[in-house]
Amino acid sequence: GQQVMQIPQYQHVQEGEDFTTYCNSSTTLSNIQWYKQRPGGHPVFLIQLVKSGEVKKQKRLTFQFGEAKKNSSLHITATQTTDVGTYFCAGWLIQGAQKLVFGQGTRLTINP
Amino acid sequence: DTGVSQNPRHKITKRGQNVTFRCDPISEHNRLYWYRQTLGQGPEFLTYFQNEAQLEKSRLLSDRFSAERPKGSFSTLEIQRTEQGDSAMYLCASTDQNTGELFFGEGSRLTVL
Repeated sequence: GQQVMQIPQYQHVQEGEDFTTYCNSSTTLSNIQWYKQRPGGHPVFLIQLVKSGEVKKQKRLTFQFGEAKKNSSLHITATQTTDVGTYFCAGWLIQGAQKLVFGQGTRLTINP
Repeated sequence: DTGVSQNPRHKITKRGQNVTFRCDPISEHNRLYWYRQTLGQGPEFLTYFQNEAQLEKSRLLSDRFSAERPKGSFSTLEIQRTEQGDSAMYLCASTDQNTGELFFGEGSRLTVL
């Protein structure tokens, strides 16, 4: 079953507002990745977090990895219309084979 | 273009027919993954290869599904006796195991009538 959960499933904001999506795993992750999928497109890698408590920034995007390596978040400051898409977290499981397990994604729409 | 290539991009078939999808990964990548994605869902793991060896297959995958990567380069995913529930986007991704970043192809969209 689904081991990586994301909330919310949908988020609609006004351009300029902030946006946050949360990711939770039922098991400890070796690391976590974030992908963005534009409408009609394929997932594109954004970032990977490896260390417990790690925080990384990419311009207006801030990514966090929880201390227990079971949760993560993506925060976008002052959204722009180019941020529209679905954001997925994906975790590499520590135990078991080397497969990347995706969350169900958070779809972000923006009112200009 | 040195990205991941998938074909066909779209396939419409009747229930009960067999379909095959092909994936050409980035040439220096030794790991190749197949995922399935339905509307509003995240990519769902199907199987993966390291070079030519198939190292894991999802338990969700019935025996109607088979994948190969005969020479450790391109891969094929075959679905036999297709069912309407097989309708989805089939995504292929490759990676260099050192980085773990997956590079996805554009996908092959299957519609089973």
